[in-house]
Amino acid sequence: QKEVEQNSGPLSVPEGAIASLNCTYSDRGSQSFFWYRQYSGKSPELIMSIYSNGDKEDGRFTAQLNKASQYVSLLIRDSQPSDSATYLCAVNQAGTALIFGKGTTLSVSS
Amino acid sequence: DVKVTQSSRYLVKRTGEKVFLECVQDMDHENMFWYRQDPGLGLRLIYFSYDVKMKEKGDIPEGYSVSREKKERFSLILESASTNQTSMYLCASSLPTGGSGGYTFGSGTRLTVV
Repeated sequence: QKEVEQNSGPLSVPEGAIASLNCTYSDRGSQSFFWYRQYSGKSPELIMSIYSNGDKEDGRFTAQLNKASQYVSLLIRDSQPSDSATYLCAVNQAGTALIFGKGTTLSVSS
Repeated sequence: DVKVTQSSRYLVKRTGEKVFLECVQDMDHENMFWYRQDPGLGLRLIYFSYDVKMKEKGDIPEGYSVSREKKERFSLILESASTNQTSMYLCASSLPTGGSGGYTFGSGTRLTVV
């Protein structure tokens, strides 16, 4: 059974701090890695994708991938109250459907 | 603005009814997916399709079927609705690799079976 594991949280950080969200996956053949943000009552929205080892930065977001450790993380710098949401990690191999983690709830306090 | 449109935002059906959930995408995506999302269980894949008239079972296909007669439309059918099918249903689409752009999700249908 292919699995994606995330700490459910809640992860609470003060405004302006760095939020660090982590994800591990079981399938060594996984090739594509995604982070989605989901606000309460809304559908998931893609915020980051990463395909090779290392870091990928987009604005305040940085995705980090370590395939040897089967580990993906998302860093949110200068966290804002509007970042409060559930963050879903998702992985797949080429040609297969995404497998999602259950998500980590982030709460940013002002 | 590209989008995935689900026909109903909220739906209430009776036990035993046949229920159709419709999903239409305007991005010319080959792949389409149906997930359900439940508290504590996350997103679970019901069915997916890589092409017109093709379908593949996901992790929890029991009690569901799908139809894809046109590239842009993917329908989820609950053959005989039961209370344990009360859930948020999410449709998504993607390019063939499922890669570069990830999935685009519809706004979801919250189905209540009474």
